[in-house]
Amino acid sequence: SQQGEEDPQALSIQEGENATMNCSYKTSINNLQWYRQNSGRGLVHLILIRSNEREKHSGRLRVTLDTSKKSSSLLITASRAADTASYFCATKSGAGSYQLTFGKGTKLSVIP
Amino acid sequence: DSGVTQTPKHLITATGQRVTLRCSPRSGDLSVYWYQQSLDQGLQFLIQYYNGEERAKGNILERFSAQQFPDLHSELNLSSLELGDSALYFCASSVEHRVDNEQFFGPGTRLTVL
Repeated sequence: SQQGEEDPQALSIQEGENATMNCSYKTSINNLQWYRQNSGRGLVHLILIRSNEREKHSGRLRVTLDTSKKSSSLLITASRAADTASYFCATKSGAGSYQLTFGKGTKLSVIP
Repeated sequence: DSGVTQTPKHLITATGQRVTLRCSPRSGDLSVYWYQQSLDQGLQFLIQYYNGEERAKGNILERFSAQQFPDLHSELNLSSLELGDSALYFCASSVEHRVDNEQFFGPGTRLTVL
């Protein structure tokens, strides 16, 4: 079953613009991770934010987490055509749980 | 390149058949996870092995089974295949003793059941 729900399902922007994707989840989590998937390929880990963190940065990526609203957002600044991909949030729940539960993803298209 | 390898890349087979997908984790990773990605179900966790032992089960059908060998590679066996089993199957590995486990994904095996 899907834990996370990304919003929007698809997003199309011009190169140079910022892209914001949101993720909502249902149960309490240990951490939340964002992954990128280029068309039909493997997933690439982007960033992890722990449940006691509110914001994290990595290069052009900024992730926020609001555990009271059970939501997270991923911001990609100054987007590039190479950022075109699907982005998934994944949650890990509980101390004894190691598997990730993925959302359905946001398909981002960056137009040159 | 994540360091996780999967073979084969593509597999085309018929309904009712049995196939085996293979995964080699990153060097040093003891934990292997299998995921299925389909258009209707999205990315779903199937099963996890840690150092040869089954650790967690997700939405894995009884027709599917997996194992992890002493050299830590893993195989996912799919039997009595149905059209709906057509999907991308991913293997991921991680160092499980960390709570914040980053999972490294392989390139996947695309299974087509005709």
